[in-house]
Amino acid sequence: DIQLTQSPSFLSASVGDRVTITCRASQGNSIYLAWYQQKPGRAPKLLIYTASTLQSGVPSRFSGSRSGTEFTLTISSLQPDDFATYYCQHFNNYLLTFGGGTKVEIK
Amino acid sequence: QLQLQESGPGLVKPSETLSLTCSVSGGSINSSSYYWGWIRQPPGKELEWIGTIYYTGRTYYTPSLKSRVTISEDTSKNQFSLRLTSVTAADTAVYYCAKAVTSRGWAFDLWGQGTMVPVSS
Repeated sequence: DIQLTQSPSFLSASVGDRVTITCRASQGNSIYLAWYQQKPGRAPKLLIYTASTLQSGVPSRFSGSRSGTEFTLTISSLQPDDFATYYCQHFNNYLLTFGGGTKVEIK
Repeated sequence: QLQLQESGPGLVKPSETLSLTCSVSGGSINSSSYYWGWIRQPPGKELEWIGTIYYTGRTYYTPSLKSRVTISEDTSKNQFSLRLTSVTAADTAVYYCAKAVTSRGWAFDLWGQGTMVPVSS
């Protein structure tokens, strides 16, 4: 099974900061990596799919990239609405795996 | 506009079977463009994919739950369902149903609101 290592698990940042979250797959060359935002008591919201495609309606300050088995979510300028938990999700050979999550809190 | 709604019992006893249904409105589950999935989240923990069903009836399950899980569909009711047998307290979680689009690499772009299912005697 493919393991997903998401880091950091927690980060403290200020409004306006550039934030980067990483997700590393243990193997494979799948581009099928998605990022979600989840707020307390709410269902996750899709931000990015196939590593770098922005979901319709998601602000352009969110972006995704891939380098080999390492995937990155970047928030270019953190906004008050962005404080939440972020998850990556990987698809390979008809199996899906979620990362452990990154909680973004206000510094 | 497509919407998903989970329904099921509010409490399940240990060793019993958890059964949930996801009702789909505003569109048909019998579409080659979509996959339908179940994801769960124990209190304070990360998301866990349970399994997915395609309109053909083909199913895919996470290996750790495969022996206890069945996902099925009822196209006449526009619903799909989850059965999880022999539950324990470790199965206590919020259970979500969700839709994935085949062209988006199995990313879930629409989610139900989720239903909390405690496992307790």
